[in-house]
This record gives sequence, C-alpha cells and structure tokens, in this order.
Amino acid sequence: EPEVTQTPSHQVTQMGQEVILRCVPISNHLYFYWYRQILGQKVEFLVSFYNNEISEKSEIFDDQFSVERPDGSNFTLKIRSTKLEDSAMYFCASSESLAGSSYNSPLHFGNGTRLTVT
Amino acid sequence: LAKTTQPISMDSYEGQEVNITCSHNNIATNDYITWYQQFPSQGPRFIIQGYKTKVTNEVASLFIPADRKSSTLSLPRVSLSDTAVYYCLVGDIGNYGGSQGNLIFGKGTKLSVKP
Repeated sequence: EPEVTQTPSHQVTQMGQEVILRCVPISNHLYFYWYRQILGQKVEFLVSFYNNEISEKSEIFDDQFSVERPDGSNFTLKIRSTKLEDSAMYFCASSESLAGSSYNSPLHFGNGTRLTVT
Repeated sequence: LAKTTQPISMDSYEGQEVNITCSHNNIATNDYITWYQQFPSQGPRFIIQGYKTKVTNEVASLFIPADRKSSTLSLPRVSLSDTAVYYCLVGDIGNYGGSQGNLIFGKGTKLSVKP
C-alpha cells in the first residue's frame, strides 16, 4: 500500500536556526498538508496546499513558516527561526482530489518528524 | 466546522466489542464523519468514514443515526494492539482549495485494551 514518507524521523536544532522538514506524499495525491502535535496535546492543523499554492492555513502558521513543493515528489515545511515552542511532532498528509465527487477523500498521514528545539 | 465531543478514555478487555460514541450536534448537511486511529509516535491512520446509516469495513463499523448528530465507532473483538487514541472528525466534502485541509482534531478517546 502506498504511504506518505517523512524525513528525518528526528531533528534536533538550536533556537534561532532554520529547519526544513521533508515529505514525499502519495504519488497520485493532489492535496498536501502539514499538522503538528506537541507532546501530550492535540493534532493541530498548520496548512493545506494544492496546485502549488496554500489553500488554507491556521493561526499557528505565521511568517516563520513556509511550504514548498520544489519538484514533482517532495513537499517541504520550513521554519525560518525556530523557537523552543516549535518542539513537536510534525506530520505531513496527503489526499486524492475528489472534487465534485460525493465521497470525501480521507487524509493519509506520514509517521512524522520529531523536532526538538534546544 | 462542526465541533465533536468524545469520551476522554475507555477501558476494555481483549475479545470484547468496543463502541466509542462521538457527538456532533451542529453537523452540516455536507459534512462527512471520519474516524482516525493514532498509536504513540505515529501519524493518525484512517479507519472509516460515513455520511448516514451504517458503514462497515474490515476493521470497524460506523453507525450514524438519522439525525446525524452523533456517530458510534464499533470495534469488534478488540486486541491489545487496538490500544490507541481514536479521533472523530467532521468535515465538508473536499472542494478545490476547500475545507478538508482544515479538519480539526479534538482530544480523541484513549482506548486501553487489557489482557
């Protein structure tokens, strides 16, 4: 079964440094997402991406964050200047485009990147 | 987006049937109901989705009453490996750039299965 893959599985960085989290969505999917989960808390939506542009973003997704699909397979999340409170699991997800269909396409999640900011 | 309410935790024993109910009183006409499962240090995994009545797959069943203000995830004969957090989500049919990317996860139901 195809799956969403994320690298690295664990990233440690110092406060103020830039990090790039990488994801390879399922190949025939057209919608891409980033979520995060702080330890012991809820899964929080960050951003959705379609047709090479952001579709929706949450309040968490401020100017420190950016997303990019640099080629036909990768989807990245960049945090420009990390803060201690950015420490969390970051999950990438993708879904098929079924617009106009009566069936809601579920999200397929990767296993996440654990980001630790020291 | 409709807000959902689930029990924070549930305990069960191996071999039992587990039913987790989710309330979504202000569900909209276009909203589907989707359940995800999450193990520690893993991403949420899609379990089942429905709009009304009953849906069954190889993993679970989903019961949705006529008013759609609640839904019940049924896990038949649970095993220790079903210990996880289960999330009920309600969200609109995906449109181009539409609301699906804004699915809101609640705190979920932490199911503990004991031997």
